Amino acid sequence: GEDVEQSLFLSVREGDSSVINCTYTDSSSTYLYWYKQEPGAGLQLLTYIFSNMDMKQDQRLTVLLNKKDKHLSLRIADTQTGDSAIYFCAERTHGSGGATNKLIFGTGTLLAVQP
Amino acid sequence: DAGVIQSPRHEVTEMGQEVTLRCKPISGHDYLFWYRQTMMRGLELLIYFNNNVPIDDSGMPEDRFSAKMPNASFSTLKIQPSEPRDSAVYFCASRTQASWGYGYTFGSGTRLTVV
Repeated sequence: GEDVEQSLFLSVREGDSSVINCTYTDSSSTYLYWYKQEPGAGLQLLTYIFSNMDMKQDQRLTVLLNKKDKHLSLRIADTQTGDSAIYFCAERTHGSGGATNKLIFGTGTLLAVQP
Repeated sequence: DAGVIQSPRHEVTEMGQEVTLRCKPISGHDYLFWYRQTMMRGLELLIYFNNNVPIDDSGMPEDRFSAKMPNASFSTLKIQPSEPRDSAVYFCASRTQASWGYGYTFGSGTRLTVV
């Protein structure tokens, strides 16, 4: 079945790089996403990667996709205290009829940035 | 664009009462999703609509939950009767058919507490 897993917690110091990892089960996934949730707020789309890509860079964010291992990671360079939040990875699911319109979210990783 | 608008932001109700959560999607978005977020279960997709028509309600927990979308600019999620285990943050999200690269846009959520 569909399952997206993440580690629950990551603590880093301000200025260091953060790497948040995610594994997924649907090898047919075409789009994979990273969302950020700040306290008391909804989820905000940070970036996405299409399955024919291995890497995508967007300013301080780098997404790496390993399709063979079904592993997705988000690297945040020069992490700031404002980056403290919960980060969710998500995949667009596929059913017997092909791609669906559903996103399945991981459990979320709480990133704590120490000053 | 005002984004996805949900109301109320917070709702406290007594067990057995009816609760109605409201959502206004982004104008022009033709998909609308209702998610529930709890510490134990993470983000769960309850139901989604395409062009106001319910497409997949397999995530709706039980008959006490119902959702409607009478027009393109309004949706409701109703719980009747409410129970303490329904306490959660309920998110509405919308997206456009145009591109999966945009992912979903989430509202700020409704925090429901059933006492």
